[in-house]
Amino acid sequence: NAGVTQTPKFRVLKTGQSMTLLCAQDMNHEYMYWYRQDPGMGLRLIHYSVGEGTTAKGEVPDGYNVSRLKKQNFLLGLESAAPSQTSVYFCASSYGPMAGGYEQYFGPGTRLTVT
Amino acid sequence: GENVEQHPSTLSVQEGDSAVIKCTYSDSASNYFPWYKQELGKGPQLIIDIRSNVGEKKDQRIAVTLNKTAKHFSLHITETQPEDSAVYFCAALSGGGADGLTFGKGTHLIIQP
Repeated sequence: NAGVTQTPKFRVLKTGQSMTLLCAQDMNHEYMYWYRQDPGMGLRLIHYSVGEGTTAKGEVPDGYNVSRLKKQNFLLGLESAAPSQTSVYFCASSYGPMAGGYEQYFGPGTRLTVT
Repeated sequence: GENVEQHPSTLSVQEGDSAVIKCTYSDSASNYFPWYKQELGKGPQLIIDIRSNVGEKKDQRIAVTLNKTAKHFSLHITETQPEDSAVYFCAALSGGGADGLTFGKGTHLIIQP
């Protein structure tokens, strides 16, 4: 049981390039989330999904797209990377809604630098 | 939307002493308040949480208190140990519908030997 895994761990992009971050969980969780963490800012929610085939916007969705084609995977895409997207990205998952008492489990993070 | 303020940003205590981290929130409909510990190079890990129908919760050396009227909640760590050194985040789940947490900016807790 690997929990929540993220690929890649590190990446450097040039402005305007695109990439996809992969999050995978093997806990049969329905809910999945993408956060970004910037120095002195805490974590901010980008997008989330409440089940396979569904996605919803979080606090800072601009410049990102997501897809949840399979229950175990949640992909975060950057179509045209900008230096402002330099950050550490964390994926998380939970079996059900936190309002219903379900714990959120985080992955180890992906450090992205856009030059 | 929800806004969570966390203080202090850095806290240094002697090993064996207690540490207290405080957070305030703005949305009176928020109903779930978790605390996360983040070690260097790792993702946040839940250490304790509290719901709006409870005033206090304790788990060994860690406790959380919630004051709904004042809209603030606190993390208390007693008998601190070197392994408690980390960044701690408070968070709040807004009652507005979106199932994502709003985080504080974090507290870097340093345990001095």
